[in-house]
Amino acid sequence: GQNIDQPTEMTATEGAIVQINCTYQTSGFNGLFWYQQHAGEAPTFLSYNVLDGLEEKGRFSSFLSRSKGYSYLLLKELQMKDSASYLCAVKDSNYQLIWGAGTKLIIKP
Amino acid sequence: GAVVSQHPSWVICKSGTSVKIECRSLDFQATTMFWYRQFPKQSLMLMATSNEGSKATYEQGVEKDKFLINHASLTLSTLTVTSAHPEDSSFYICSVLTGQESGNQPQHFGDGTRLSIL
Repeated sequence: GQNIDQPTEMTATEGAIVQINCTYQTSGFNGLFWYQQHAGEAPTFLSYNVLDGLEEKGRFSSFLSRSKGYSYLLLKELQMKDSASYLCAVKDSNYQLIWGAGTKLIIKP
Repeated sequence: GAVVSQHPSWVICKSGTSVKIECRSLDFQATTMFWYRQFPKQSLMLMATSNEGSKATYEQGVEKDKFLINHASLTLSTLTVTSAHPEDSSFYICSVLTGQESGNQPQHFGDGTRLSIL
């Protein structure tokens, strides 16, 4: 079956750095997405990786290793507004998005 | 600006009522829209893929007669929850694909509809 694993919850301190990991086993791979979802709101797109390596976008970076079936989202200079759930999603061989359960990130002052 | 408009954002109604949710793509034509459901503290669950001018494709376990999807135009898809019951209470979200499924364009989500059935 297809599976995406993320930690359920993480806690970090304002101003610090946090890395949220995502591992996947899917039938084929056509890209990996990271979304941010605040409580009670719809997800918003953060990043896309299809090739190995690091994609940097301001305070957020996303890394992919296809051979390891692994990605991480790196958040720097954490702000209180970064408290949210972070969803990892993979496009499989049929271009269907397979969603992880999300990682709830709690930022403490 | 917003790519997708979803309405209503919040519904409370009695058991047995049918509820219609609209999803509109703004400023572009969307041949494919997706309907998701999300229960508290759980991940997004794809319910169906809505294709303009044809019948929706439902995921396994989703009752097509209970969740009616109409994608009559390139900018509008509707989801009707028929004879809703308390177990249908959930957060329903639509999304739109702005490019090819094989491409790198992300899905853009509506703001979601919180449905509470009493």
